[in-house]
Amino acid sequence: GAVVSQHPSRVICKSGTSVKIECRSLDFQATTMFWYRQFPKKSLMLMATSNEGSKATYEQGVEKDKFLINHASLTLSTLTVTSAHPEDSSFYICSAPSAGRFFGPGTRLTVL
Amino acid sequence: KNQVEQSPQSLIILEGKNCTLQCNYTVSPFSNLRWYKQDTGRGPVSLTIMTFSENTKSNGRYTATLDADTKQSSLHITASQLSDSASYICVVSAGDYKLSFGAGTTVTVRA
Repeated sequence: GAVVSQHPSRVICKSGTSVKIECRSLDFQATTMFWYRQFPKKSLMLMATSNEGSKATYEQGVEKDKFLINHASLTLSTLTVTSAHPEDSSFYICSAPSAGRFFGPGTRLTVL
Repeated sequence: KNQVEQSPQSLIILEGKNCTLQCNYTVSPFSNLRWYKQDTGRGPVSLTIMTFSENTKSNGRYTATLDADTKQSSLHITASQLSDSASYICVVSAGDYKLSFGAGTTVTVRA
């Protein structure tokens, strides 16, 4: 069935560096993908909507220059955390609309 | 404001026992309600999805109910197993790609 994959599953980086997270839809095309952030024991919070062929839509309070989103194709969206800070450490999850509203397995980002 | 509230926040049950999780929502308009299971460090996995006209939906040992009039849903886990230990999230859709997430109920199953 339809699946959403993410890469990497976990990443550790130093403060000030940039980290790219990939989200791929397998077996189906997604003109829209969603990026969420989840802090420990908290619910998912929508960060932005990634749109193939156009600019991403960011939720209020999310810095678009810090969290760069590129929807390069109908099966790939990337989230780049620029100039990462320790407070960016979180669990990032992508999702693609489909009958089952599939979520990716998540990426654990730790910024030292 | 669209809100989804889940209760209890957490619970501990013995293996083989049953439990019921609650979800109350104020999302409007209503499109569908989903229950997800999220293991620690993993993305949510869909258990059930119900639209306005559906009152109950089962997936193995998981049974979800929906009362669209009172805006309440429940997830019943039958004969719990150790692998059921996870966070269970209630997600309500207003039909515009915007999802409202509950904070989740953490279930711990002990042998």
